[in-house]
Amino acid sequence: QQQVKQSPQSLIVQKGGISIINCAYENTAFDYFPWYQQFPGKGPALLIAIRPDVSEKKEGRFTISFNKSAKQFSLHIMDSQPGDSATYFCAASRASNTGKLIFGQGTTLQVKP
Amino acid sequence: NAGVTQTPKFQVLKTGQSMTLQCAQDMNHEYMSWYRQDPGMGLRLIHYSVGAGITDQGEVPNGYNVSRSTTEDFPLRLLSAAPSQTSVYFCASRSVNTEAFFGQGTRLTVV
Repeated sequence: QQQVKQSPQSLIVQKGGISIINCAYENTAFDYFPWYQQFPGKGPALLIAIRPDVSEKKEGRFTISFNKSAKQFSLHIMDSQPGDSATYFCAASRASNTGKLIFGQGTTLQVKP
Repeated sequence: NAGVTQTPKFQVLKTGQSMTLQCAQDMNHEYMSWYRQDPGMGLRLIHYSVGAGITDQGEVPNGYNVSRSTTEDFPLRLLSAAPSQTSVYFCASRSVNTEAFFGQGTRLTVV
């Protein structure tokens, strides 16, 4: 059972465009939703995270939008750059069990110059 | 500042062999986890620990054992390697108010 579903599997965007990756979750007990960025040969690294008491969080060119009623959250990358080309994972966890992150399937983003 | 250190980086095993993947963190984090990463499946949780002496199963625990005798170390043992365990393995650690930090991964091939 996939508790966190991520789409699309791959994404190609032109430099300067907006990249949008979507995730949906099933467990309403989840209350921490991070996004991770992974470059080839490296471990994932936290990009941005949100808790369900806010509907949006922005850090530089990266924004998380959160819809609690729909159990969905998304990552928006504004002014996408070739250096953003990487694999992105959404994840979810419960604050009471913070060693246990459940990941989405991942999205491979390619930003064309 | 080492963070999360995994060894080895690469390993080839024959079917039926056993081995231990090492993970160490120097950030005094309570929580440590092991994930495997397979194409199109994201990272799946194998086992995790909320403190020394406490471990629990994740989504895909079969064929793997863990123990947590110290805060710093969280080794993952493959008891009898199978080709289905060919994967990239990541160890992660975090504390209550921190993000999860991942190691660089161990690429395991079972032939």
